[in-house]
Amino acid sequence: QVQLVESGGGVVQPGRSLRLSCVPSGFTFRNYGMHWVRQAPGKGLEWVAVIWYDGSNKYYADAVKGRFTISRDNSKNTLSLEMNSLRGEDTAVYYCARHVGGFTSGYLDLWGQGTLVTVSS
Amino acid sequence: QSVLTQPPSVSGAPGQRVTISCTGSSSNIGANYDVHWYQHLPGTAPKLLIYANTNRPSGVPDRFSGSKSGTSVSLAITGLQAEDEADYYCQSYDSSLSGSLFGGGTKLTVL
Repeated sequence: QVQLVESGGGVVQPGRSLRLSCVPSGFTFRNYGMHWVRQAPGKGLEWVAVIWYDGSNKYYADAVKGRFTISRDNSKNTLSLEMNSLRGEDTAVYYCARHVGGFTSGYLDLWGQGTLVTVSS
Repeated sequence: QSVLTQPPSVSGAPGQRVTISCTGSSSNIGANYDVHWYQHLPGTAPKLLIYANTNRPSGVPDRFSGSKSGTSVSLAITGLQAEDEADYYCQSYDSSLSGSLFGGGTKLTVL
C-alpha cells in the first residue's frame, strides 16, 4: 500500500526540541523529493520545508528557517524534521508529503495523516 | 508580498456549480508557475485534486476542473454533492520564497 506515516508529535515546552519522522511504504522513496506542511489550529495549510530526492538541496519557510532542519536517510527510508527553539506558533498538525514533478512545477500527490505538535508550558 | 488569495468561504446547493478563485502575484502565478489544488477534510490527509492548473489525477471526478487566466486561477465544482463539503487550497511555487506557497484556503459549504 502506498502511504506515508508520520510520528514523533507530542507536547513540548517552549524553547525545547522535537524530532518528527515520516516513513514511506509502497514506492521507491529515494526517487522523490519530500515536503513538510503544517496546519495550526483553525488555520490553513502552511508549507514548512522541502528536501530533494537525494538530500542535496533543502529549502525552508521563513517562519522556521534557522530553527528547523529537514533531512532524509534513503538507506533507512525515513524523512525527518528536527525542530529546535519551539514556539507556541509552531503548534500544528505536521504532514509529510511526496513531491512529483520539477522543483518549480511540482505538486504534492501523496500525504500522510499528520502528527500533532503542541508547544505549551 | 508572497500571498495566494482565496475567498474564505463559498456555498452552493446540491447539484449547483461553484467556483473558487486563487489570485497571486508576479513571483508565483504571474510568473507562470503551475497552480495545484487540494481538498482537505478535517482530520484526514489532504488530497490532490488538480495539478498543473487543469489536470485531474486519476480517480478525481470530472465534476472538478481547473482553469488559469493571467495571475488568477480557478477551481470549478459542478453537480455539487454533500461529500464535497471540505476546505480547498491552491498551491504554487514562489520565486521570492524559493519554496512552495499555499493559499489561505476556502471552506465550501453544501447547503
